[in-house]
Amino acid sequence: GEDVEQSLFLSVREGDSSVINCTYTDSSSTYLYWYKQEPGAGLQLLTYIFSNMDMKQDQRLTVLLNKKDKHLSLRIADTQTGDSAIYFCAEISDTGRRALTFGSGTRLQVQP
Amino acid sequence: GAGVSQTPSNKVTEKGKYVELRCDPISGHTALYWYRQSLGQGPEFLIYFQGTGAADDSGLPNDRFFAVRPEGSVSTLKIQRTERGDSAVYLCASSPKGQGNTGELFFGEGSRLTVL
Repeated sequence: GEDVEQSLFLSVREGDSSVINCTYTDSSSTYLYWYKQEPGAGLQLLTYIFSNMDMKQDQRLTVLLNKKDKHLSLRIADTQTGDSAIYFCAEISDTGRRALTFGSGTRLQVQP
Repeated sequence: GAGVSQTPSNKVTEKGKYVELRCDPISGHTALYWYRQSLGQGPEFLIYFQGTGAADDSGLPNDRFFAVRPEGSVSTLKIQRTERGDSAVYLCASSPKGQGNTGELFFGEGSRLTVL
């Protein structure tokens, strides 16, 4: 079945860039996503990338996709304390289950 | 409301009891999903509805879990004979489209279930 892996924790200083990494196993993944979860809140979609793209930029967020290595990353420029949250990588494919498969999340801690 | 609404936000029950969790999706969203999130884990898929029918229930862990969406809007997740291992946050999400969509899901804040 599909599997999505992420590192558990990342700590950065305010103003630095953060890079959160994710690997996945489903070679038929169609879309890949980054969701953000703040304490006591629901998951919020940050951005997504179609599998035939290798990069997508949206303001402070840059998503890089290496389809050959099945590696996805999220770069947050000029990280702020308000970016402290858990970030989930997720994927969906056109075959099999038509629902997102999530990683276990990376907790980002931004030090002032 | 504008977002996905889930009730109750918190539910404490005793082992062996029956529990119902409700989800009210965004109006007009045809797809509805239930996920379960245990502490320190990512959301785990349970079941997906397209309209009134369960399009994929392969994530339901056993026959104690059941979900319905009789009119294609509100959904209820039902758990019989609850066990301590059922303790988790149950997340509901809806989407304006179903199969083949971009996959953007709109999540509620979840129902935290604690089984004592």
